[in-house]
Amino acid sequence: EAGVAQSPRYKIIEKRQSVAFWCNPISGHATLYWYQQILGQGPKLLIQFQNNGVVDDSQLPKDRFSAERLKGVDSTLKIQPAKLEDSAVYLCASSTLTGWATEAFFGQGTRLTVV
Amino acid sequence: SQELEQSPQSLIVQEGKNLTINCTSSKTLYGLYWYKQKYGEGLIFLMMLQKGGEEKSHEKITAKLDEKKQQSSLHITASQPSHAGIYLCGADLNTGNQFYFGTGTSLTVIP
Repeated sequence: EAGVAQSPRYKIIEKRQSVAFWCNPISGHATLYWYQQILGQGPKLLIQFQNNGVVDDSQLPKDRFSAERLKGVDSTLKIQPAKLEDSAVYLCASSTLTGWATEAFFGQGTRLTVV
Repeated sequence: SQELEQSPQSLIVQEGKNLTINCTSSKTLYGLYWYKQKYGEGLIFLMMLQKGGEEKSHEKITAKLDEKKQQSSLHITASQPSHAGIYLCGADLNTGNQFYFGTGTSLTVIP
């Protein structure tokens, strides 16, 4: 079974530039999550999709972050414009249910460095 | 404040030693999950605990859930360098639709 795919693995950009991350969840998983993990901290949920609808985006900085999940499969997370404090690993995860009654599967993450 | 607090924040142990990581919740737990993360990589699911008093083991790692105390512990017996990484607990804290991660524990095992 293929896992959650994320790209790119690494990205270095200058502040005020834009960047986009891509996530392909496990086939058949209705729920998709984007997490931001700053070095030394646990992951923070940015946005949760159920199919192509947003379930929770309360911690997404909407002035600069946006995410979409067209057709309820792949998802893209965008930052525009980036700030230094956006440097983090961005993790995508997918699961079969909205709750975590089954474990979620994580991608390897995209490490973003903003200089 | 963090809904899930882990302790210690970091741990350095000699190979072969036992160690324990704790995860304490400020709210009622609806399932507690343990993950391991190697530096710069994604999370690897270790085990899930759902009932108070539940205990699960996988190889040399044992996790317990004390629902009354809203706490879980992860115990590693005879640690090895391969155990090194960041250990994260995660949990449903409300109705099952919100999932939070703990603050993380960084483990270093010295050969």
